[in-house]
Amino acid sequence: SAVISQKPSRDICQRGTSLTIQCQVDSQVTMMFWYRQQPGQSLTLIATANQGSEATYESGFVIDKFPISRPNLTFSTLTVSNMSPEDSSIYLCSVRQGGDQPQHFGDGTRLSIL
Amino acid sequence: QKEVEQDPGPLSVPEGAIVSLNCTYSNSAFQYFMWYRQYSRKGPELLMYTYSSGNKEDGRFTAQVDKSSKYISLFIRDSQPSDSATYLCAMSGIIQGAQKLVFGQGTRLTINP
Repeated sequence: SAVISQKPSRDICQRGTSLTIQCQVDSQVTMMFWYRQQPGQSLTLIATANQGSEATYESGFVIDKFPISRPNLTFSTLTVSNMSPEDSSIYLCSVRQGGDQPQHFGDGTRLSIL
Repeated sequence: QKEVEQDPGPLSVPEGAIVSLNCTYSNSAFQYFMWYRQYSRKGPELLMYTYSSGNKEDGRFTAQVDKSSKYISLFIRDSQPSDSATYLCAMSGIIQGAQKLVFGQGTRLTINP
């Protein structure tokens, strides 16, 4: 399966600031996704990162708060904007090669907001 | 009612025991079934991926799917302390025209030496 690298692995940020998380894959993939995992909870899909077009957001998530870029088939970024303590979470990038293939995940970015 | 129900545990068993982890689901549109293992401070790692009803075995792990009962299981034989992790079931299918992946809550498993 593809090797997925996320940067940074963790960060502590001040409220009101923004942080951009990078996801790099070692091979071209069809689909890239961003998830949030709050402590002790399961995974919640934030959005699907579409190559060359705007991301598709799930209910409860908006572009102004979580802008996403996907300039090519191996790279995507997620920005968490105007952060508040409620944004403290693990943010995970995942990829899927084709429609019937399973998703694979990076190790996530652990974000704490003070 | 959640689309996928998974007992969050925690579950603690002695080394060498057989572990059974289970999930139920309500949407018959789910066609693909997965188990992920997540160690602390790591991302979910795909363990098993199945499509049809029946059993799939990989080493000490067996995934079982019963589509008629909307029930999936993961069995771990000869459990080891290194199996201590959170196990997430997940299932996917075409729902409202899009491929959707839904996770269970995850079961925290501890294998005691």
